[in-house]
Amino acid sequence: AQTVTQSQPEMSVQEAETVTLSCTYDTSESDYYLFWYKQPPSRQMILVIRQEAYKQQNATENRFSVNFQKAAKSFSLKISDSQLGDAAMYFCAYRSPMNYGGSQGNLIFGKGTKLSVKP
Amino acid sequence: DGGITQSPKYLFRKEGQNVTLSCEQNLNHDAMYWYRQDPGQGLRLIYYSQIVNDFQKGDIAEGYSVSREKKESFPLTVTSAQKNPTAFYLCASSIAWQPQHFGDGTRLSIL
Repeated sequence: AQTVTQSQPEMSVQEAETVTLSCTYDTSESDYYLFWYKQPPSRQMILVIRQEAYKQQNATENRFSVNFQKAAKSFSLKISDSQLGDAAMYFCAYRSPMNYGGSQGNLIFGKGTKLSVKP
Repeated sequence: DGGITQSPKYLFRKEGQNVTLSCEQNLNHDAMYWYRQDPGQGLRLIYYSQIVNDFQKGDIAEGYSVSREKKESFPLTVTSAQKNPTAFYLCASSIAWQPQHFGDGTRLSIL
């Protein structure tokens, strides 16, 4: 079974600086998807960024980028120019390709990293 | 606007009572999911459904039941057999390889 590990329960960053959140996963599959979700105090789950395993290029979305190391099964999130609104819980998630009739397509979440941003 | 609607936002359950959490989506997504979130535990999958009239147990299905009679709706019943129902419940939906979209959640507490 696949597992996702986030080894940093809490992180802190100064406003305007850069922070990296770690995520490792375990799988025997070669094709899969990885995601980072943000959960602010409102508890809404917001997709931050996604990465397809077959793509070697790291995904980037504005100030958010990932360092995807497939061989090492590592998927870290870098937040540049941190803003107060980035303060939230961040969850790393793994998903197998979607196929009907099986468990593929379900998300497996890490336990999350609570990010604080200091003004 | 398309989205996922969960109701109610807050729900209280009495001892021995069954309660039902609503989840409706107008995104035309085939798959729908229910997650439970406890402090320090991340999200854990309760049930999921990939097509109408079919659903599968997730990792923590005991004490819960679901139905999927319509594509748009995937209600979750927390039965009296669930001895520790206090948690935040999130519903999600997805289509094909697209990421899951989440509702705003329901917080369930015991009276």
